[in-house]
Order: sequence, then C-alpha cells, then structure tokens
Amino acid sequence: DTEVTQTPKHLVMGMTNKKSLKCEQHMGHRAMYWYKQKAKKPPELMFVYSYEKLSINESVPSRFSPECPNSSLLNLHLHALQPEDSALYLCASSSHRPSELYEQYFGPGTRLTVT
Amino acid sequence: SQQGEEDPQALSIQEGENATMNCSYKTSINNLQWYRQNSGRGLVHLILIRSNEREKHSGRLRVTLDTSKKSSSLLITASRAADTASYFCATVYTGGFKTIFGAGTRLFVKA
Repeated sequence: DTEVTQTPKHLVMGMTNKKSLKCEQHMGHRAMYWYKQKAKKPPELMFVYSYEKLSINESVPSRFSPECPNSSLLNLHLHALQPEDSALYLCASSSHRPSELYEQYFGPGTRLTVT
Repeated sequence: SQQGEEDPQALSIQEGENATMNCSYKTSINNLQWYRQNSGRGLVHLILIRSNEREKHSGRLRVTLDTSKKSSSLLITASRAADTASYFCATVYTGGFKTIFGAGTRLFVKA
C-alpha cells in the first residue's frame, strides 16, 4: 500500500474556529511532512516529524500546531487562522533511512478556506 | 525561502513533441527529485537522481544533474495530452529531510 490519505478533502472555517487536519500512511515510513501550497506556487515545507518527534519547524506561526500520535498518523491542529492561511495543505511521508533518499509519497491534500 | 528556480514557468507544445524543463538550486544537495502535480492535487514522484549521478532514465523521462552548475533538467519525450500538469523539482539538503521545491513549470500538451 503506497497511499497517503488526508481528511477532510475540503474545509471551510472561521477565524475563531479550531479544526484539525489528519493524515495517515501504512507504508512503515517514519518520516512525515506537512506542506502548505498557495495557488500556482510550489509546496512550502512547514514541519517534519522523524520517529514521531518534531525534526523541522520552518518558523511556522503557532496557530498551526502539529502532532504525531503514532508512526502512521500526523495531525495539524488549526486555531485562530487568518484568511491568508487559505491554501492546499499537503501531507507526505518518506523512509527515514538515508540510503533510501527520502523519496516522498504525497496525499491528495486538504483545501482549506478561512473566512 | 525557495532554493530552486525553474524555467520555463510555462510551456505549451503539441502532442508528440519533447518537453524540457530546467531547475537550478543554491546549496549542496543529497539528491534532486522531480514531481508532477495535476490540477492542484497531490504530487506524484517521477524520478530521483543522486548527487553523484549525472543522468537517469525512466520510461519517457530523462533527468540530468550538473552539480558544478547546480542545475538539473527534465526531458519528457514524445509528450501526450495526459502529460499536461505542473512539474516541480525538489532538492533534499545533505544530511536531512529538508526539501525545497522549485517554482515549477506548467506544461500544456495540445492534442
């Protein structure tokens, strides 16, 4: 199974709401990623987890809070977002082994609209 | 900030023609990967080239890497309408997971 799933596919939330994005993979990958992608732009790395520990935080505002409860799941908790946070949020996973060169498998993304 | 830059930003060709996209980067890399994205959905991994490789082939794809110039190119031969998509290069920093995507090339193949 080489699939990464993300839920929900679409999310509309107000600036005072709290919501969560979910990502799941069953490939045994121990590295998981969150990216943000604006229209007609490349994905921008937000967070990387390795062995369920936060490895990289690309200076993301605290209104985005990642969580990796186990090796298959990755969450992104959202709170007090701004309209400019509207984007496609992509989850990816990869092997943690340097010899496997971190080829990433992406989910279909969650399209987030903040009103 | 982005490390990779790509050109052209957009490319329109006829079915059967070849498409070439270029990518440049700024610092030492572990490897360089190319991805395809259809209509703003998830990315699909196409091909990976290690920093010590110069050329790699996969089906109709040919990737080259010139580490002295910090650049790579992706050639798609005999293009098809189904190749219409955005193509991104991604560089993986030496020593870690950090991945930076180039600006992307939007390819349109006319039937």
